[in-house]
Amino acid sequence: GAGVSQSPSNKVTEKGKDVELRCDPISGHTALYWYRQSLGQGLEFLIYFQGNSAPDKSGLPSDRFSAERTGGSVSTLTIQRTQQEDSAVYLCASSLRTAWDTQYFGPGTRLTVL
Amino acid sequence: AQSVTQLDSQVPVFEEAPVELRCNYSSSVSVYLFWYVQYPNQGLQLLLKYLSGSTLVKGINGFEAEFNKSQTSFHLRKPSVHISDTAEYFCAANFGNEKLTFGTGTRLTIIP
Repeated sequence: GAGVSQSPSNKVTEKGKDVELRCDPISGHTALYWYRQSLGQGLEFLIYFQGNSAPDKSGLPSDRFSAERTGGSVSTLTIQRTQQEDSAVYLCASSLRTAWDTQYFGPGTRLTVL
Repeated sequence: AQSVTQLDSQVPVFEEAPVELRCNYSSSVSVYLFWYVQYPNQGLQLLLKYLSGSTLVKGINGFEAEFNKSQTSFHLRKPSVHISDTAEYFCAANFGNEKLTFGTGTRLTIIP
């Protein structure tokens, strides 16, 4: 079946602009995660959604970052007033229910802030 | 603090030789452990995971890992590597809080 998909695959933006990154999880997966992969920081957790519960936002690096998940499916990660340090690959993952179910990762969105 | 450590950032190995990629964790609570592989220009793929039970876990592509609670380790091994194993390998842990904490990764390079 279809895996986790993310769009766009690449995004180049100017400093100060807002960007939206999209994630389509595997159908039927109730848990959705966003991670960031950057050279200096490795793989970092950003945010976690489980069904209709309030998301775990503990990994968001600043209030410029926000995410929503509509209808328990598609998720959008928004970065406002982008900075050069936001340049990274943003990865989305989904799992059936919990974190000890296998997390399936999408191919990522490579964000470059000029 | 809960953390995952991969001490080797790069590991070169001759083709058909054995390999061990090291992973250690720090935690005062129960932990679930994972190894993921990232091939060049691709996403992360699960190799294997330890949740409970037998401490020797077998995964895809001939890899296996052994959970050692006393040494807080979860090293990844393969008896004979191939060129196609060239990739970056990430050890990750779930410390009971729904998110994965990753190590910094080990780049495995296979030498023909």
